[in-house]
Amino acid sequence: QKEVEQDPGPLSVPEGAIVSLNCTYSNSAFQYFMWYRQYSRKGPELLMYTYSSGNKEDGRFTAQVDKSSKYISLFIRDSQPSDSATYLCAMSENGYNNNDMRFGAGTRLTVKP
Amino acid sequence: ETGVTQSPTHLIKTRGQQVTLRCSSQSGHNTVSWYQQALGQGPQFIFQYYREEENGRGNFPPRFSGLQFPNYSSELNVNALELDDSALYLCASSPGGGEYNEQFFGPGTRLTVL
Repeated sequence: QKEVEQDPGPLSVPEGAIVSLNCTYSNSAFQYFMWYRQYSRKGPELLMYTYSSGNKEDGRFTAQVDKSSKYISLFIRDSQPSDSATYLCAMSENGYNNNDMRFGAGTRLTVKP
Repeated sequence: ETGVTQSPTHLIKTRGQQVTLRCSSQSGHNTVSWYQQALGQGPQFIFQYYREEENGRGNFPPRFSGLQFPNYSSELNVNALELDDSALYLCASSPGGGEYNEQFFGPGTRLTVL
């Protein structure tokens, strides 16, 4: 069993739809939970990070962490074609230097106009 | 402010050869991490350098080695290349200090081993 599991998709939605992306994990010591977006031929860019359990909102993006279920989610409201990318979840025990980050395989999202 | 840059962009090598990849960290960042991203997979942590010292290593063999220079730029060296080393190699820098340090990724070097 992988430490971080993420459905690779692909996921295709119409413009304006609400998108739900999810990851599960097995290491209960993870404390920091990140979502990255990676466009084709680019490096990942951080969208949001959350410490421990709870919700965090940033514009059209909401991240949720449920440590009791070892389950994290990213919601994208009013999705746009520019949101088409691969979304990677990542987790670490140590947010100070993140030298133990574990990534999911990434979910490829396409938002159709 | 210049972001993280990596060179070269693409590289083709044959099995058994050695390769050196380079990374310039973002201005003011003293920590550099290297990742390997195979096609269709998430990045896997190789190692991290903090102020020229190795500060953590993932599950990679010793033929993967690195270096960080006084200006905080970094190199990744891979000896005795294998076909499975074909991947996108990502470098990320972070500033240090504070509770959480965001890693800023470069565009990567695409390595193909034939």
